Amino acid sequence: DTGVSQNPRHKITKRGQNVTFRCDPISEHNRLYWYRQTLGQGPEFLTYFQNEAQLEKSRLLSDRFSAERPKGSFSTLEIQRTEQGDSAMYLCASVTGDYTDTQYFGPGTRLTVL
Amino acid sequence: AQRVTQPEKLLSVFKGAPVELKCNYSYSGSPELFWYVQYSRQRLQLLLRHISRESIKGFTADLNKGETSFHLKKPFAQEEDSAMYYCALRQGNNDMRFGAGTRLTVKP
Repeated sequence: DTGVSQNPRHKITKRGQNVTFRCDPISEHNRLYWYRQTLGQGPEFLTYFQNEAQLEKSRLLSDRFSAERPKGSFSTLEIQRTEQGDSAMYLCASVTGDYTDTQYFGPGTRLTVL
Repeated sequence: AQRVTQPEKLLSVFKGAPVELKCNYSYSGSPELFWYVQYSRQRLQLLLRHISRESIKGFTADLNKGETSFHLKKPFAQEEDSAMYYCALRQGNNDMRFGAGTRLTVKP
């Protein structure tokens, strides 16, 4: 499968713990997005990378959230001191650089905070 | 504020019937609109974008700036069209705003 991959697929953690998710984009895509999706809602934009540079962050991304994309390849999203409200599906998408600008989504990581 | 509204959470039609999934948006600039689809146990994927003005799997969507709408239509629904459909608006080069989605069920 040469699509976008995300790990882990599921994560259960206790409130107050830190968690880290990984996204591996399609290799030739230089743009990468993180979204959060809660039940009954569409994906909500969190942050965006162009290569290794984090160019935009949503106000949804509190200071407990941090994202990196070292070397412009894979990306990680870390949540510190998790809260029950962080329970959601976290989606990653990589974007072609051509005129279509299509977003290719990964399968997501489902986070449950107990 | 930029917003995408999909007024119907659930939509059910019979096979062969026409289907229209509604999407309204609010955006002060020149909008770029998309429909994404998620079939059962599959990941979210692009269905179509307004710039392309194409028909994908029999679906079309026309941007109506006067009514600020981008409704998705198909004249004859098929059972395999059953899925979750999301309308999305791109703001600038980086921020994609999604609607809450409409679950379409096509009954045999």
